Amino acid sequence: DGGITQSPKYLFRKEGQNVTLSCEQNLNHDAMYWYRQDPGQGLRLIYYSQIVNDFQKGDIAEGYSVSREKKESFPLTVTSAQKNPTAFYLCASSIVPTGELFFGEGSRLTVL
Amino acid sequence: QKEVEQDPGPLSVPEGAIVSLNCTYSNSAFQYFMWYRQYSRKGPELLMYTYSSGNKEDGRFTAQVDKSSKYISLFIRDSQPSDSATYLCAMSAYQQGAQKLVFGQGTRLTINP
Repeated sequence: DGGITQSPKYLFRKEGQNVTLSCEQNLNHDAMYWYRQDPGQGLRLIYYSQIVNDFQKGDIAEGYSVSREKKESFPLTVTSAQKNPTAFYLCASSIVPTGELFFGEGSRLTVL
Repeated sequence: QKEVEQDPGPLSVPEGAIVSLNCTYSNSAFQYFMWYRQYSRKGPELLMYTYSSGNKEDGRFTAQVDKSSKYISLFIRDSQPSDSATYLCAMSAYQQGAQKLVFGQGTRLTINP
């Protein structure tokens, strides 16, 4: 089945630790995205990548980093510099240029 | 002013009612319009996709786009409790080699049996 796989689904982290969220897609989409969703709020764009080895900052990139070494993979690292990392993180990929986004199931990060 | 405005609700209606969800936008460059449904603690799933102005129907769901008014709607007929979710509108444009995609805040909908 084609789709987007995020892991882990739930993650707990101590303050000061970096954590990496995995995102893999087998839809053969060029573009991939990371969003953050907080309770009662919409989606906020963290980073996006339109092609391998290239990515751009979104609206709230501070404290996050990404890489795009393979078309299928777009991992997100939440660094200790991120002031308020507890959130629901969503990875997506899209068809260019229509922008139809297909989302993963999400990763819920809790900082203790 | 936000580029896309969506009433966050919450919206609560009885089973069987017709539901109307709406978004307005300010950027006339948007060409592609989408509606996503998100159940609690899940990723959003693409519900409807339309290009430019017009209507699109899929079962109990109808998406409507009025580019002249910069207004899009999603209608749900014969609403069911399983339709209870948050609905997000999204719109995109492809400009200067880059995809611009903007989401509304989402409307939380509850269908009461």
